[in-house]
Amino acid sequence: AQSVTQLDSQVPVFEEAPVELRCNYSSSVSVYLFWYVQYPNQGLQLLLKYLSGSTLVKGINGFEAEFNKSQTSFHLRKPSVHISDTAEYFCAVSELTSYDKVIFGPGTSLSVIP
Amino acid sequence: NAGVTQTPKFRVLKTGQSMTLLCAQDMNHEYMYWYRQDPGMGLRLIHYSVGEGTTAKGEVPDGYNVSRLKKQNFLLGLESAAPSQTSVYFCASSYLRGDQPQHFGDGTRLSIL
Repeated sequence: AQSVTQLDSQVPVFEEAPVELRCNYSSSVSVYLFWYVQYPNQGLQLLLKYLSGSTLVKGINGFEAEFNKSQTSFHLRKPSVHISDTAEYFCAVSELTSYDKVIFGPGTSLSVIP
Repeated sequence: NAGVTQTPKFRVLKTGQSMTLLCAQDMNHEYMYWYRQDPGMGLRLIHYSVGEGTTAKGEVPDGYNVSRLKKQNFLLGLESAAPSQTSVYFCASSYLRGDQPQHFGDGTRLSIL
């Protein structure tokens, strides 16, 4: 059965500093991988997704993520964060053989400090 | 283009009362989902639907019922509300294929006293 782990529940970072939010998953089959962002009092929005091909994917708002199959990881990075990046970030996994369910990680709360 | 719309946005119930949360999407998506979000627990799937007239149980279905009579609507019912059901409820929808992302509503904040 698939599962998703986000190793850091809270990540404080100073404005304009780089950040990495970690995500690991477990699955016995090939997967699709997603990162979503949730701003306060809003629903989740898609940041980026990995389906196949290049292991480095770029998303909105300057975020990118790298898929590492051997380490079953999909870490999210941004070279320079802004105050507006303060939000909750969720990693999600969908198995190729099970289109009807997506498993979400517990989330990482990113706080950008001025 | 509204996307996914949830009503109501806020609600306070007393223990034992019943209510229905409505989710509507205008993207012609086949799949629809109901999640609950609690602090430190991420999103947990309550029920989902893979098409009009179909529903299936998710991770935490007890105490909830759902219906998908029309493709664009997905209703979540609480039969007899309990304080443990205090949560933020999100509806989402997606296309049939698993490589397609889910589109979320803005949530319903429900408090059970």
